Amino acid sequence: GNSVTQMEGPVTLSEEAFLTINCTYTATGYPSLFWYVQYPGEGLQLLLKATKADDKGSNKGFEATYRKETTSFHLEKGSVQVSDSAVYFCALSESGGGGADGLTFGKGTHLIIQP
Amino acid sequence: DGGITQSPKYLFRKEGQNVTLSCEQNLNHDAMYWYRQDPGQGLRLIYYSQIVNDFQKGDIAEGYSVSREKKESFPLTVTSAQKNPTAFYLCASSGFVSRQPQHFGDGTRLSIL
Repeated sequence: GNSVTQMEGPVTLSEEAFLTINCTYTATGYPSLFWYVQYPGEGLQLLLKATKADDKGSNKGFEATYRKETTSFHLEKGSVQVSDSAVYFCALSESGGGGADGLTFGKGTHLIIQP
Repeated sequence: DGGITQSPKYLFRKEGQNVTLSCEQNLNHDAMYWYRQDPGQGLRLIYYSQIVNDFQKGDIAEGYSVSREKKESFPLTVTSAQKNPTAFYLCASSGFVSRQPQHFGDGTRLSIL
């Protein structure tokens, strides 16, 4: 079956540091990949997505590139802010039978940015 | 503004009691989902529905039931058969075509009295 593995947290960084959160996946076919962000007490918000190999998703200074050869989708940001503190989820979507199935999520990485 | 509304935000259940969590969307999405979130475990799929009057079990459906009588609504019932119901429950929706991003509500936190 499908699975997503992302680095365990919490990850603690100082403001303006460079961020990388690793994500690798296992899928039987050719999935779409997503990063979601969750702020305390809230639902998940889509941060960025990529649908095919070498696609780069980007939003709010965050980027991730779909690497089929390494089955990875690492999240990066050049200079983090305190407001980026949240839990980040990597996820994939793959439907062999057509139609919309559920997402497969990683366990989440708690990011803490200190001023 | 379009979105997904979950209610209530907090819910308490007594032992042996069934409770129903509401999820409504006005995004005109065909597909809707229920996930359970536990600390350190990410999100796990309970049930999903691709069209009205049809739904499928996800990875952890035991102890839960759903209905999909209207396109906009996908309520989840946590039955007394669910022995460990304390969790954060998230509802989501998406277009019917596969591999679409999902849009999430703000969740319902269920606790046992």
